[in-house]
Amino acid sequence: DIVMTQSPDSLVVSLGERATINCKSSQSVLGGSRNKDHLAWYQQKAGQPPKLLIYWASTRESGVPDRFSGSGSGTDFTLTIGSLQAEDVALYYCQQYDRIPYTFGQGTKLEIK
Amino acid sequence: EVRLVATGGGLIQPGGSLRLSCAASGFTVSNNYMNWVRQAPGKGLEWVSLIYSTGSTYYADSVKGRFTISRDNAKNTLYLEMNNLRAEDTAMYYCARMGYDSSSTYYYGMDVWGQGTTVTVSS
Repeated sequence: DIVMTQSPDSLVVSLGERATINCKSSQSVLGGSRNKDHLAWYQQKAGQPPKLLIYWASTRESGVPDRFSGSGSGTDFTLTIGSLQAEDVALYYCQQYDRIPYTFGQGTKLEIK
Repeated sequence: EVRLVATGGGLIQPGGSLRLSCAASGFTVSNNYMNWVRQAPGKGLEWVSLIYSTGSTYYADSVKGRFTISRDNAKNTLYLEMNNLRAEDTAMYYCARMGYDSSSTYYYGMDVWGQGTTVTVSS
């Protein structure tokens, strides 16, 4: 199974500042066509289901604010929130969908300073 | 509106069985890849099962042989039949659709999620 490891486990950032969450996979999640990383980022607010933010490592889902961006390739990925807003307080998860079983990172808790 | 509504959770004794349902609206379940994902209290997300549009099914090792994913095309509903339940199966269970980009024919993460249904396995 592909193991997804996120860092840090928790993050405290001031409003308007940048937040960065890292995700490392135990093996490459570059798809069979060798041109897309099968890596997604989700946001989960308290009491809600997860929400897809980013897929193919860097493609923003429709309706997601442009302060959210994804980068990386192969085994190392990053989610960046460019200017933190109060509503961004949540848990964030990375997930690989390259190989079954699909696997998630352990989650990163983002809080406001 | 594209929507998933999960039902069927509850309190069940160890060794018991339960069937979860996930009713879809705004899209056709049988034309999509559909997942079940669970989240134990205070824990992270765990992928449980997947059914392809072809009908092929896949399971996490932790539930293989005990859980069965299926769908009813006429009812546009996804199911998860859970047998021989254990305390460690206690979780919120979410159904989720895999996103699909028709221009590239690639699937890309889970773009639609149900609100979840809670399963508690306890005596």
